[in-house]
Amino acid sequence: AQSVTQLGSHVSVSEGALVLLRCNYSSSVPPYLFWYVQYPNQGLQLLLKYTSAATLVKGINGFEAEFKKSETSFHLTKPSAHMSDAAEYFCAVSQGAQKLVFGQGTRLTINP
Amino acid sequence: GEEVAQTPKHLVRGEGQKAKLYCAPIKGHSYVFWYQQVLKNEFKFLISFQNENVFDETGMPKERFSAKCLPNSPCSLEIQATKLEDSAVYFCASTPRRQADSGANVLTFGAGSRLTVL
Repeated sequence: AQSVTQLGSHVSVSEGALVLLRCNYSSSVPPYLFWYVQYPNQGLQLLLKYTSAATLVKGINGFEAEFKKSETSFHLTKPSAHMSDAAEYFCAVSQGAQKLVFGQGTRLTINP
Repeated sequence: GEEVAQTPKHLVRGEGQKAKLYCAPIKGHSYVFWYQQVLKNEFKFLISFQNENVFDETGMPKERFSAKCLPNSPCSLEIQATKLEDSAVYFCASTPRRQADSGANVLTFGAGSRLTVL
């Protein structure tokens, strides 16, 4: 069965610094991978998805993620953090029957 | 509409009472999913529907939880005899097509319904 592991339940960076949120997946088949963001008291919003078309995926709000099969990773990055990026981020892999399996989430805090 | 509408936003129940949550998927989306998020932690899959048919119920607790998606009505998730551990935010999501048909379909999530069991 597919699964994802997010390393670090809490990441804190300074405004303007690089954001790196780590996600490793486990899958016996080529996976579909997603990053979602959850702002306080809101639902999940899709940041980007990997569907095997390109290994470097660009998403909304300046985020991107690179699929590395050799490392079974799909880390999320943003070159320069903004205060509005403070939120909970979830990596997910698509399992059979359209079911998403989520990681544990990483809370991103931005320091002024 | 273009959003998944969930009601109510907040629901408070005493232990042992019934709770019922509703979800109106995006028009034209034939797949509906329910997820449970406890204490801001990971999302637990509960059940999915293809139109009014149960598609995958492997995450559904066998007792007390039930769900329906009837034609021309919002989908519903019902918990009989709620317990303290049922306190969570319940998210509904919808998507138009099966993954195999068109690549990785994106689930669109509602804002969630927060259930507090006292």
